[in-house]
Amino acid sequence: SQQGEEDPQALSIQEGENATMNCSYKTSINNLQWYRQNSGRGLVHLILIRSNEREKHSGRLRVTLDTSKKSSSLLITASRAADTASYFCATDQGGSEKLVFGKGTKLTVNP
Amino acid sequence: DAGVIQSPRHEVTEMGQEVTLRCKPISGHDYLFWYRQTMMRGLELLIYFNNNVPIDDSGMPEDRFSAKMPNASFSTLKIQPSEPRDSAVYFCASSRWDRDEQYFGPGTRLTVT
Repeated sequence: SQQGEEDPQALSIQEGENATMNCSYKTSINNLQWYRQNSGRGLVHLILIRSNEREKHSGRLRVTLDTSKKSSSLLITASRAADTASYFCATDQGGSEKLVFGKGTKLTVNP
Repeated sequence: DAGVIQSPRHEVTEMGQEVTLRCKPISGHDYLFWYRQTMMRGLELLIYFNNNVPIDDSGMPEDRFSAKMPNASFSTLKIQPSEPRDSAVYFCASSRWDRDEQYFGPGTRLTVT
């Protein structure tokens, strides 16, 4: 099965609300990354969290990592219509050179 | 830097034809990755290169698919012969030696009729 699995598959919220997306994985990792994909575009890197970190912030983004549960969450605070996109988590498998991507969470932020 | 460049952006071809997708990675990046994205299967890694050498091609679906990286600034993904099930968006991505971030190109949308 896929290494990274995002939950929920789709999320619709109002502008100004917070959006939380979760990612679960199965094997040990060195780091976990989150990417955003706007419709019809390539993926854009948002944030990386290493296995020895528990929380990381970047602007309105907050990422947590729980290696005991093999899970991560991405929180977007004070969402904007421009945050509408699909969000993917990606994991290396024990430090592999390649990333395995989940199928993503499709976020819709309604103005 | 202009970012990762892919061409063509759109390709429509008939079954049985040869298709060649092209990628120019970011200058100075050591790794190049080819992905395929479909609704059914999501984003799949096809093959990746390190310093122009293919490292892992286990994701290449069939012998109809081949990839080359003749130099640090150019890579191709070839499908011969193409089939309708190859219809997808193909992405090229590159990263530095530390692989902390992959930079994706805009993708090539391939339609095989």
